[in-house]
Amino acid sequence: DTAVSQTPKYLVTQMGNDKSIKCEQNLGHDTMYWYKQDSKKFLKIMFSYNNKELIINETVPNRFSPKSPDKAHLNLHINSLELGDSAVYFCASSPSRTYEQYFGPGTRLTVT
Amino acid sequence: RKEVEQDPGPFNVPEGATVAFNCTYSNSASQSFFWYRQDCRKEPKLLMSVYSSGNEDGRFTAQLNRASQYISLLIRDSKLSDSATYLCVVNRDGGFKTIFGAGTRLFVKA
Repeated sequence: DTAVSQTPKYLVTQMGNDKSIKCEQNLGHDTMYWYKQDSKKFLKIMFSYNNKELIINETVPNRFSPKSPDKAHLNLHINSLELGDSAVYFCASSPSRTYEQYFGPGTRLTVT
Repeated sequence: RKEVEQDPGPFNVPEGATVAFNCTYSNSASQSFFWYRQDCRKEPKLLMSVYSSGNEDGRFTAQLNRASQYISLLIRDSKLSDSATYLCVVNRDGGFKTIFGAGTRLFVKA
């Protein structure tokens, strides 16, 4: 059973389009995260949610809008895609006691 | 200066070698500390949490020095399968903000 899953795995789209990435965890964790890993492989946090509430918004452009319909899901919607949005996006979850994070397989977004 | 600094390497070691990675962090409010490994084109995977008392998991030993704001990872008896990027990770702000180091690349050769 996949603990943290993301869909789609690959996303190729044109500038200006709107796209969504979905994330689900079946670990019963309270906290979920979105990260961006750029071409230099640097992993940077974008958002943290705890019990469906936004806790951290790391100065991400407001074209990015996360949504957590329940504790097990954290989706990411991106409006008006730009070339610089091309990256791998990872979802993760953790129990709020230990903060040991478990990552999804990533979504490789390419904006042309 | 980055909040979490690591030597990017690469470290090239023969099988069976012992290798040590170091990491420093600049924010004294940091609360939790971890090592993750990331294989090429894969997601990061938790290797171990790091405590001031030190902790060991098989061939891996991690240590935290809060006074010096320094975290270490020691890998003994390196295996080919240890080849990966090792990421030093720090949590703060109630544990909800996670800062990753840029990673240290390890190549273990036969």
